[in-house]
Amino acid sequence: QVQLVQSGAEVKRPGASVKVSCKASGYTFPTYGLSWVRQAPGQGLEWMGWISAYNNNTKYAQKLQGRVTMTTDTATSTGYMELRSLRSDDTAVYYCARDGAVYTGSYSVWGQGTLVTVSS
Amino acid sequence: DIVMTQSPDSLAVSLGERATINCKSSQSVFSSSHNKNYLAWYQQKPGQPPKLLIYWASTREFGVPDRFSGSGSGTEFTLTISSLQAEDVAVYYCQQHYSTLITFGQGTRLEYK
Repeated sequence: QVQLVQSGAEVKRPGASVKVSCKASGYTFPTYGLSWVRQAPGQGLEWMGWISAYNNNTKYAQKLQGRVTMTTDTATSTGYMELRSLRSDDTAVYYCARDGAVYTGSYSVWGQGTLVTVSS
Repeated sequence: DIVMTQSPDSLAVSLGERATINCKSSQSVFSSSHNKNYLAWYQQKPGQPPKLLIYWASTREFGVPDRFSGSGSGTEFTLTISSLQAEDVAVYYCQQHYSTLITFGQGTRLEYK
């Protein structure tokens, strides 16, 4: 079946970086993209950005520009989201979701989520 | 960015009764070239990722019960649950993907009385 499996929870110090992985299975990875969405504790959904696994085009949320990088590895059908210069307000559950290869869309497949805690 | 505003923020409905959640966008999310509204609805239960309920504003995702329906066009949209079941208690989000910079509504918490 189609699924996305994310890496495990992380605890980071302020100023550090985190890299979350999202391994896809059950579909042809390069014919889709991935979006990343985060959710702070008790808060709503915040879109972080999108990457096409077809041509590696990316779009990032303006507030994260310069701190976030999304990549894919088609050999392993895995997407990655790296967030740098972490702050306490980056504490959140981070989700990957299957998206379009050329355009962003709605998300029928989600990863299970990865909790990233930023604390000194 | 397109701002998505949901109302109400929370809602309590009796089991078996109708629940209605509204979503308004700061600009139209209708594409005349594709004749589609780029609007989706999600349900999220505690400790779970969101689940897609409705896409293109009114198309039900496969496997979603037919008590869930979506309507609206342009800037105003509605998610309706025709007869609330206990398992429908959740937070509901609308999402626009008309712009490549995706935005979500703030969420509506649905409970039963």
